[in-house]
Amino acid sequence: GAGVSQSPSNKVTEKGKDVELRCDPISGHTALYWYRQSLGQGLEFLIYFQGNSAPDKSGLPSDRFSAERTGGSVSTLTIQRTQQEDSAVYLCASSLARNEQFFGPGTRLTVL
Amino acid sequence: AQSVAQPEDQVNVAEGNPLTVKCTYSVSGNPYLFWYVQYPNRGLQFLLKYITGDNLVKGSYGFEAEFNKSQTSFHLKKPSALVSDSALYFCAVKDSGNTPLVFGKGTRLSVIA
Repeated sequence: GAGVSQSPSNKVTEKGKDVELRCDPISGHTALYWYRQSLGQGLEFLIYFQGNSAPDKSGLPSDRFSAERTGGSVSTLTIQRTQQEDSAVYLCASSLARNEQFFGPGTRLTVL
Repeated sequence: AQSVAQPEDQVNVAEGNPLTVKCTYSVSGNPYLFWYVQYPNRGLQFLLKYITGDNLVKGSYGFEAEFNKSQTSFHLKKPSALVSDSALYFCAVKDSGNTPLVFGKGTRLSVIA
């Protein structure tokens, strides 16, 4: 079956612009996660959706970051007024409750 | 709060030799432990997990990991390394609830022919 997909695979933007990153989780997975991986760093948790519950936004680094998950499936991570320090690979993962997470290939964001 | 430590940034091993990538963790309650591998310009691939049961867990590509509760460790092992095992390896932990994974900083494994 299809895995987690993310689009675009690469995004280059200018400082101050808004960007939207998309994640299509594995069908039927109730949980969806966004992480950020900066160059040479580990994975930083951003936000987590579980079913219809309110999302866990505790990892979002600033109010410029937001995410939504429509219909319990597709999710969009939005970064407003991008800064150079936002440059990173943004990874999405999905899982069935309490099971291992399956990751997408990531979106490489470069802010010039 | 959960945390994971991978004490080695880099591990070098000769092809055919056994390999170990170390991981220690801290979590309240029973831990759910995972290993992931990341090849260059790729996403993370799940290798194996420990939830409960046998302390020795077998996973993909011949990897295994041993859960040691007293040492709070979950080291990744393989009896005979391959050059193709060269990649970045991440250990991760979560508690038993619906919570996100907490990842270590990763260990870069280099297998030399």
